[in-house]
Amino acid sequence: KNQVEQSPQSLIILEGKNCTLQCNYTVSPFSNLRWYKQDTGRGPVSLTIMTFSENTKSNGRYTATLDADTKQSSLHITASQLSDSASYICVVSVLSGGSYIPTFGRGTSLIVHP
Amino acid sequence: DAGITQSPRHKVTETGTPVTLRCHQTENHRYMYWYRQDPGHGLRLIHYSYGVKDTDKGEVSDGYSVSRSKTEDFLLTLESATSSQTSVYFCAISATSGGLNEQFFGPGTRLTVL
Repeated sequence: KNQVEQSPQSLIILEGKNCTLQCNYTVSPFSNLRWYKQDTGRGPVSLTIMTFSENTKSNGRYTATLDADTKQSSLHITASQLSDSASYICVVSVLSGGSYIPTFGRGTSLIVHP
Repeated sequence: DAGITQSPRHKVTETGTPVTLRCHQTENHRYMYWYRQDPGHGLRLIHYSYGVKDTDKGEVSDGYSVSRSKTEDFLLTLESATSSQTSVYFCAISATSGGLNEQFFGPGTRLTVL
């Protein structure tokens, strides 16, 4: 069964600090991997998307890495801000019959304290 | 937000009543998805559509039906709501951005079944 496991489940850091979130997956055949940010009460918003051939992608203070051999990805947040408090979701998709079918991780809940 | 709206945004209903949630998009995207999000679970795919009158089941489709009679509208119906269907429901569309497939989510509908 295709699975996406994220760690840690929750994380508390101080404003200005860096942090790294992890994502391990067993989804196959791999098509792409995305990281989303979901604020409380809102829909997820895409941060980065990577294909099999990419091993790093940045979006401002967010940098995602991908190791397709070990089936691991990480999301690094630099110089955290209070607005970074949210749930971060890793999503791995397969291409099946012309449709992209995603498998979602349960998310990492990040709290940034002043 | 890729022009996605969901209605209603909140609904409280009683067990056994039918409920229909609507997802509306304004940008003529072919692929549309319905997910549910519950504590302790990642977003789980209920049904998706790859064109008018073309739909397929996701991993948690039991108790749900969908219809897509127009490109812009994707309806999710609970024929006889149960308390286990209390959840937050998200609609999403799939679009190509920068040559890559991206999913964009609506604001969500919070459904409570008493």
